[in-house]
Amino acid sequence: RKEVEQDPGPFNVPEGATVAFNCTYSNSASQSFFWYRQDCRKEPKLLMSVYSSGNEDGRFTAQLNRASQYISLLIRDSKLSDSATYLCVVNMVSTGFQKLVFGTGTRLLVSP
Amino acid sequence: DGGITQSPKYLFRKEGQNVTLSCEQNLNHDAMYWYRQDPGQGLRLIYYSQIVNDFQKGDIAEGYSVSREKKESFPLTVTSAQKNPTAFYLCASRSGNGYTFGSGTRLTVV
Repeated sequence: RKEVEQDPGPFNVPEGATVAFNCTYSNSASQSFFWYRQDCRKEPKLLMSVYSSGNEDGRFTAQLNRASQYISLLIRDSKLSDSATYLCVVNMVSTGFQKLVFGTGTRLLVSP
Repeated sequence: DGGITQSPKYLFRKEGQNVTLSCEQNLNHDAMYWYRQDPGQGLRLIYYSQIVNDFQKGDIAEGYSVSREKKESFPLTVTSAQKNPTAFYLCASRSGNGYTFGSGTRLTVV
């Protein structure tokens, strides 16, 4: 089983739509959680951190459910510029080191 | 401005040749990482280093080697033992929970 699992998509949505991505992780010792955005042939860029209380940044809302080991990202009022791959990322800490573990990413295509 | 520089951006290698990818940071970060990304896949950890003169294998270290002689530099060598080296390689550094990524090197075996 992969440590971080995501639906690869693609999700094809019209401008203005609301779209939700989900992610599950398998290691209960995971300590912090993120959504990264990756454009084609570019490096991933941090979109937002994810907290149990839920957090919002403009049109983006992220939620973490530690009991279910489940992370979500909601994008409201989709823009053409939101087209990208969204990576669910878990920061795992163990025996004095930490590393990011990435899901395969969910591709979003927003059309006019 | 502080950041991570990876070079070259594109690299072509003949089969059987070793090649070294450069990663330099001026962020004063202790920890550095090398990831590999294949099409349709997430990033996978190759090697990481927590401090100078120390590094550890990640999940897919076979066919790769690294060095960490200076805090600023963490070069990755792709050896001829790596059977499928064509991929996008990303270097990252970390301070606390904050990671910074380089812009990547796209390696193609010809």
